[in-house]
Amino acid sequence: KNQVEQSPQSLIILEGKNCTLQCNYTVSPFSNLRWYKQDTGRGPVSLTIMTFSENTKSNGRYTATLDADTKQSSLHITASQLSDSASYICVVSPQRNRLAFGKGNQVVVIP
Amino acid sequence: DAMVIQNPRYQVTQFGKPVTLSCSQTLNHNVMYWYQQKSSQAPKLLFHYYDKDFNNEADTPDNFQSRRPNTSFCFLDIRSPGLGDAAMYLCATSREGGGTDTQYFGPGTRLTVL
Repeated sequence: KNQVEQSPQSLIILEGKNCTLQCNYTVSPFSNLRWYKQDTGRGPVSLTIMTFSENTKSNGRYTATLDADTKQSSLHITASQLSDSASYICVVSPQRNRLAFGKGNQVVVIP
Repeated sequence: DAMVIQNPRYQVTQFGKPVTLSCSQTLNHNVMYWYQQKSSQAPKLLFHYYDKDFNNEADTPDNFQSRRPNTSFCFLDIRSPGLGDAAMYLCATSREGGGTDTQYFGPGTRLTVL
């Protein structure tokens, strides 16, 4: 069974600080990995997508990394803002149709 | 511009009273998905349509049905909602449905069952 584990489950950070979210997966074969941002009460929005050959991908203050050998990914948020408060979901695509979702990292940014 | 639209955003129903959730898309994508997401849980795929072909997940209860009358619209019907069906229901679309395709999510419908 494909598994996507995210840590920490939740964290609180001060506005302006950086944070890193972790995603470990056992999905195989592997096609690509995405990070989605889900605001409370909203649908997920894609932040980054990486194939197995890519090591890093940035989207503004968000930088995702991927180590396909160890099956680990991270999402780094730089200079956090209050609007970064959300759940960040790691989603891994096998080469077939189904997506494997993590439960998300709940981030709360406080002033 | 809205791409995946879900109505209503909030739905309250009574135990056992049928309810229909609506999703529409302006992307002209072939594939439409319905997910159930409970609090602090990952979205769980219920079923998806590739064009008119319906694909049900093996563990989706019979209580959940879906209709796709045309490319743009897809409906989720819950025939007899139970308390355990209270959740956020997410609709998503993708162009072709392969593993490399990005899924675009709607804002979700929050279902409350009284």
